[in-house]
Amino acid sequence: AQSVSQHNHHVILSEAASLELGCNYSYGGTVNLFWYVQYPGQHLQLLLKYFSGDPLVKGIKGFEAEFIKSKFSFNLRKPSVQWSDTAEYFCAVNNDYKLSFGAGTTVTVRA
Amino acid sequence: DSGVTQTPKHLITATGQRVTLRCSPRSGDLSVYWYQQSLDQGLQFLIQYYNGEERAKGNILERFSAQQFPDLHSELNLSSLELGDSALYFCASSRGLGDTQYFGPGTRLTVL
Repeated sequence: AQSVSQHNHHVILSEAASLELGCNYSYGGTVNLFWYVQYPGQHLQLLLKYFSGDPLVKGIKGFEAEFIKSKFSFNLRKPSVQWSDTAEYFCAVNNDYKLSFGAGTTVTVRA
Repeated sequence: DSGVTQTPKHLITATGQRVTLRCSPRSGDLSVYWYQQSLDQGLQFLIQYYNGEERAKGNILERFSAQQFPDLHSELNLSSLELGDSALYFCASSRGLGDTQYFGPGTRLTVL
């Protein structure tokens, strides 16, 4: 069965610090990859996605992610975080039309 | 706002009861997905419908069932409820199979 691993359970950082969240998946075939964000008390919102083409994808709010096929990874990055980036971040893989999610990483940004 | 709507927002009920959760997909989307989010299990895929037909099943209990109607809205029925069914239930929709999924605000179910 396909699985998605997110390396960090909780990340705490200060405003203006850089953020990198790791994501690895186990499936070896063609996959579509996503990062979703869930702000406190809200629903999941799409940050960015990778279907094909340039492995470096840019999303909303200054986020980007890099797909490295050889490492089965899709890490999320932001060069300079803001307090409003405090949220839970989920990596997901779309295979057989359904999404398999990682356990999520809670990001706390301190002002 | 993703364009996916879910009702009700909150639901409090007792063990043994049955509830129905409703989802309306984004305009033009044919595919509807249901997910359960709980503290111990995380986000789990339950079931998917495409244009009225069931297409994929995940970790959905036999006590749970769903359907998608001709107008493409979907309902998730949960019966013989147990304490462990307390969770957030999200609906998502996509244009077609394998397309990007957009999530609704969720229904928070509390079973007492």
